[in-house]
Amino acid sequence: AQSVTQLGSHVSVSEGALVLLRCNYSSSVPPYLFWYVQYPNQGLQLLLKYTSAATLVKGINGFEAEFKKSETSFHLTKPSAHMSDAAEYFCAVSVGFGNEKLTFGTGTRLTIIP
Amino acid sequence: ETGVTQSPTHLIKTRGQQVTLRCSSQSGHNTVSWYQQALGQGPQFIFQYYREEENGRGNFPPRFSGLQFPNYSSELNVNALELDDSALYLCASSSLGASSYNEQFFGPGTRLTVL
Repeated sequence: AQSVTQLGSHVSVSEGALVLLRCNYSSSVPPYLFWYVQYPNQGLQLLLKYTSAATLVKGINGFEAEFKKSETSFHLTKPSAHMSDAAEYFCAVSVGFGNEKLTFGTGTRLTIIP
Repeated sequence: ETGVTQSPTHLIKTRGQQVTLRCSSQSGHNTVSWYQQALGQGPQFIFQYYREEENGRGNFPPRFSGLQFPNYSSELNVNALELDDSALYLCASSSLGASSYNEQFFGPGTRLTVL
C-alpha cells in the first residue's frame, strides 16, 4: 500500500519569499507522485507530476518539485510567492500501470502575507 | 474540449435518505473515479469505473455504489445517509490504457450536507 505525509498543515510566507511545502511518500513499488492545488469551493487542479522521467519536475504557475528516492520525498517549491498562490495544496501518490487510484495527503494550507 | 462536470453543485439531505450524484467525463475518457473529501481532509478514493465495470474500490461500505454508462458518464449513489457522509464529492476522469499513467482530471465537486 502507498501513503503520503504532508508536514505542516498550515504554512505562511511573505509575498516574494520562497515557498516550500513538504511531502514524504511510502510505496512498495516505484511511485507516481503529484501535487494538486485547491482554491476555495473548487475542485483539484494538477500543478505537476512525477512519472519516472526527470527527477526535477516543473509545473504550472512557477512551481517545481524534486523527486528524491533516498529521502522518499517530493517537496514543492516556488522561488517567489504571489498573493494568488494562497490555497490548499495536496500531495498524492499512485502506482499507475492500470491502478490509478490516488492516495492523498491531508493537505497544507498556504497563506501569503502581504 | 469539454471538461469534467458534476451535478448538482450543492445538496442537502437528511439522515437515512438516499442520494445520487452525477458526473460527465471529459471527451475521449473511458474511466471515472470518485473521491470523498471531508472538511479539512484530503480526498479519499471511493471507487473507479472503467468501461462500465468497477475497477477498484476503496475502504467504503456497500451503501456507496456506482454506475458508469455507455457514454462513460457516471453516478455515485449513497443509501442510508449518515451525518459523516457530509463532504465534497469529487469525480475525476481519465483514459485508462492510453499509457503507463493517465492523468486524472477533476470536476468541481458536489457539496453534500447531511442533517
